[in-house]
Amino acid sequence: GENVEQHPSTLSVQEGDSAVIKCTYSDSASNYFPWYKQELGKGPQLIIDIRSNVGEKKDQRIAVTLNKTAKHFSLHITETQPEDSAVYFCAAITGIMRFGAGTRLTVKP
Amino acid sequence: DADVTQTPRNRITKTGKRIMLECSQTKGHDRMYWYRQDPGLGLRLIYYSFDVKDINKGEISDGYSVSRQAQAKFSLSLESAIPNQTALYFCATSGQGNSGELFFGEGSRLTVL
Repeated sequence: GENVEQHPSTLSVQEGDSAVIKCTYSDSASNYFPWYKQELGKGPQLIIDIRSNVGEKKDQRIAVTLNKTAKHFSLHITETQPEDSAVYFCAAITGIMRFGAGTRLTVKP
Repeated sequence: DADVTQTPRNRITKTGKRIMLECSQTKGHDRMYWYRQDPGLGLRLIYYSFDVKDINKGEISDGYSVSRQAQAKFSLSLESAIPNQTALYFCATSGQGNSGELFFGEGSRLTVL
């Protein structure tokens, strides 16, 4: 089945800096790659996604890139703010959704 | 009101006890899921159901069972709880298709002593 690896497990940046989280997947048949944000005490929420026929997608300060050949995809957050502090999960779908282990992002004011 | 509601939000129990976690949704979705979250391990799928008559095992179904009582209700049971089932449990729903967004509840924290 699909295996999703996510790095780093923790990331600390200064407010205003950029943050990058990387994921790799194993099943070349995976065709949908969402990113979820989990704030303290809440369930994960979708923040951005990308499909296998697209290389990059941007939504304001967040962007996701996909390299199908290398089987990796990344989340980029620019101009980070304290409210970006959360746990971020990548995922890939082949039939059912498999999640990475998560990255705890801390944005220091 | 939340679209996906889990009860209880917190539960402490003892080894060997039977526990049920309940989930209800108002999104009208056919697909429902139970995930388990452990630090450093992400979200792992326990069971999922694509409609009322459909139940499927996920990655880590041993020690768990589920019941899909109606389109809107999906419950998770631990017949005889053990300490390594201490975790945060999430129910989620999605619409049709393999690339549907998951909508999560706020989680049920279970501690087994």
